[in-house]
Amino acid sequence: EDQVTQSPEALRLQEGESSSLNCSYTVSGLRGLFWYRQDPGKGPEFLFTLYSAGEEKEKERLKATLTKKESFLHITAPKPEDSATYLCAVHLLSSGSARQLTFGSGTQLTVLP
Amino acid sequence: DAGVIQSPRHEVTEMGQEVTLRCKPISGHNSLFWYRQTMMRGLELLIYFNNNVPIDDSGMPEDRFSAKMPNASFSTLKIQPSEPRDSAVYFCASSLRGDIQYFGAGTRLSVL
Repeated sequence: EDQVTQSPEALRLQEGESSSLNCSYTVSGLRGLFWYRQDPGKGPEFLFTLYSAGEEKEKERLKATLTKKESFLHITAPKPEDSATYLCAVHLLSSGSARQLTFGSGTQLTVLP
Repeated sequence: DAGVIQSPRHEVTEMGQEVTLRCKPISGHNSLFWYRQTMMRGLELLIYFNNNVPIDDSGMPEDRFSAKMPNASFSTLKIQPSEPRDSAVYFCASSLRGDIQYFGAGTRLSVL
């Protein structure tokens, strides 16, 4: 069964303390992997999409990487405004619903000042 | 662009009542998705439309749920009759090329 697992479930960092969030997937065929940020009371906001192993994308303090089995979201010198839930989603080649995204449960990040 | 617009933002209703959630996708997008988010089950796809046609409704929990997209700029998700276990945040998302989905702010539904 296709699965998307995110870890840790929650992460507390001090401002400036770099870390990484993990998204591991066991799928039969990956069309793309997506990272979203969700703030309380709001909808998920698109951050990155990665399509092939070895690909990397960067945006401000965030950098997303992809291997054949997992993706990492690296946060460098985070600030309190980076506090949010980060969601990972996969778009499957084998899915009969060609446009369906399967989401992980998310990592709730808190950055303390 | 104003992004995906959902209404109402909050809905409180009593068990057995009909609930209608509304969504206006981003202009020009040809795919529309309805999701439900709960603490227990996370973000789940309910149904999606391509060019106003329902493509996959396998995520719709039961016959009490129905969705329509009468034109490219409007969609509804209806629950009739509503039950307390339907309480959740419902999101609508739209997409142009079928990959990157842009989400609305959601409707928080409470069924008492």
